Amino acid sequence: TQLLEQSPQFLSIQEGENLTVYCNSSSVFSSLQWYRQEPGEGPVLLVTVVTGGEVKKLKRLTFQFGDARKDSSLHITAAQPGDTGLYLCAGALYGNNRLAFGKGNQVVVIP
Amino acid sequence: DSGVTQTPKHLITATGQRVTLRCSPRSGDLSVYWYQQSLDQGLQFLIQYYNGEERAKGNILERFSAQQFPDLHSELNLSSLELGDSALYFCASSVVVPGDLQNTEAFFGQGTRLTVV
Repeated sequence: TQLLEQSPQFLSIQEGENLTVYCNSSSVFSSLQWYRQEPGEGPVLLVTVVTGGEVKKLKRLTFQFGDARKDSSLHITAAQPGDTGLYLCAGALYGNNRLAFGKGNQVVVIP
Repeated sequence: DSGVTQTPKHLITATGQRVTLRCSPRSGDLSVYWYQQSLDQGLQFLIQYYNGEERAKGNILERFSAQQFPDLHSELNLSSLELGDSALYFCASSVVVPGDLQNTEAFFGQGTRLTVV
């Protein structure tokens, strides 16, 4: 079973639209990261959230960590074709700090 | 460029063979992680090393092994390869010190695409 569930698995939207993707778990994490991965490349870190309820903004991307530190969301405002990619959330488990990854949200922004 | 180097980038080999994947972490990073990524399973954690010692094991098969050398580079050895081992294998490194809950960001290499035929 997957420790982190990401939804929706696939999302296709028009340029300029907004979108939100989710990362959920029944486990509590010390921190949570979001990565973006493009075909043939490794995941690239976008943001780390540490405090329950924390909100971080990265240009048009807004990341929120749930109050209970079990879930997170990523909101993209006015999506651009360059936002296309696989968005992976990863939670840091207490004890050894290794990351557990979700399967990802595949986002396609159509020009 | 993440600073993590993986070689080779592509590898095609036959079933039953053995291969070695190599990873050089970012300068100064003591932790190295290996992940396997397939379409149906996503990124699966295999194993973590910190400063030469194994720290955590995930879903790593007994046919697979890894080590981290004194210069901190790491190798992942895959033996008795099966068709199902075809996947992307990623190495990541981080500055994390065991017990440090704040510095868990991992920086990934570009991966090795392994195809077993």
